[in-house]
Amino acid sequence: AQSVTQLGSHVSVSEGALVLLRCNYSSSVPPYLFWYVQYPNQGLQLLLKYTSAATLVKGINGFEAEFKKSETSFHLTKPSAHMSDAAEYFCAVTSSSGGGADGLTFGKGTHLIIQP
Amino acid sequence: DAGVIQSPRHEVTEMGQEVTLRCKPISGHDYLFWYRQTMMRGLELLIYFNNNVPIDDSGMPEDRFSAKMPNASFSTLKIQPSEPRDSAVYFCASSPGVGNTGELFFGEGSRLTVL
Repeated sequence: AQSVTQLGSHVSVSEGALVLLRCNYSSSVPPYLFWYVQYPNQGLQLLLKYTSAATLVKGINGFEAEFKKSETSFHLTKPSAHMSDAAEYFCAVTSSSGGGADGLTFGKGTHLIIQP
Repeated sequence: DAGVIQSPRHEVTEMGQEVTLRCKPISGHDYLFWYRQTMMRGLELLIYFNNNVPIDDSGMPEDRFSAKMPNASFSTLKIQPSEPRDSAVYFCASSPGVGNTGELFFGEGSRLTVL
């Protein structure tokens, strides 16, 4: 079984500041890891994914995440926050041994607030 | 390309009524998933299908919930009878089969309010 813990249900940063959203996972087999973003009244959109290739993964809108096996972490970062980044962010995990076909287990989400 | 299409986007109903939510997955995707999102419990996987066959329905909360996938391009999630605690946003998602890395493609959701 897999699980994901997102530290901080709300994160507030100033426009132009570094964004850091934390995600730790638990998995008994090598994982595939994902970050999704959800804007109000919309579905979830993939930001980036780790599928056992490069440990530093770059995604859309300037976001990136680094897979650290020793720390069981997959934190999401962006060097400079923009007002349009305000949204809900979800970290998710699935088992690589299932070919990713078992569905995703999501964290509870982190609401990112951008202060002008 | 059309994404995952869900209907209705919003549904308001009274307790005891039957609710049917609909989903059209992306053409060519072999997997279809139904999730429920609430403030308290976050995103929960209810059920998923592979090639129209239900694979895991362990997330379906009660017998009041049922899901079907009669063909590759259509699925329904039915709640009968509905209760106020079923109020949530229900998402449908699909993913490809061969070469799948787990990425899900989500619809915009159906927001259900049961009064």
